[in-house]
Amino acid sequence: DAGVIQSPRHEVTEMGQEVTLRCKPISGHNSLFWYRQTMMRGLELLIYFNNNVPIDDSGMPEDRFSAKMPNASFSTLKIQPSEPRDSAVYFCASSFPAGGPYEQYFGPGTRLTVT
Amino acid sequence: QQQVKQSPQSLIVQKGGISIINCAYENTAFDYFPWYQQFPGKGPALLIAIRPDVSEKKEGRFTISFNKSAKQFSLHIMDSQPGDSATYFCAAGGSGGGADGLTFGKGTHLIIQP
Repeated sequence: DAGVIQSPRHEVTEMGQEVTLRCKPISGHNSLFWYRQTMMRGLELLIYFNNNVPIDDSGMPEDRFSAKMPNASFSTLKIQPSEPRDSAVYFCASSFPAGGPYEQYFGPGTRLTVT
Repeated sequence: QQQVKQSPQSLIVQKGGISIINCAYENTAFDYFPWYQQFPGKGPALLIAIRPDVSEKKEGRFTISFNKSAKQFSLHIMDSQPGDSATYFCAAGGSGGGADGLTFGKGTHLIIQP
């Protein structure tokens, strides 16, 4: 299996621009999670989906952030407009709770820099 | 989000020694406690996990000890090797059967000196 795939791996953008991060979960996994990692705050859960339905978005920092999962094999995290404080590494993870305990598999992350 | 407190922030251990990282949680609804290992430039990778119905779980050189009454759990790395140098995160999850998001500790930067 290819694992969780994220794109782009690196993104540099200017303040005010729209940023879209993409994730392809492991085939067959039906839960998808978006996390953000910074030095100050560590790893934070932003939002997660079960069977393509958003379940908990309480971790989304502001209305500037939005996430979608139009089908079982694709999700996006969008920031509009972006701000320098959004600079972080964004991880996508997926799991298949019905098929095994609780293992979440993480992608390689997208390093976002907003100047 | 409920907190998971992790200590120490950084740890230096000699090769062959035992590395010990501790975590404490507050929410008694948590029932899944994984440890993740992260190398620079990579995503976290699941190392070992435990449920509260057991007090200890061992996989190779890695052992989780769990104290439900104290709401604490720890990772022990026996015979630590330079290749174990990484950042380790404890986490806690709810009863959603893997469908819930995880709450992570702040991480421990472990260095194993040759």
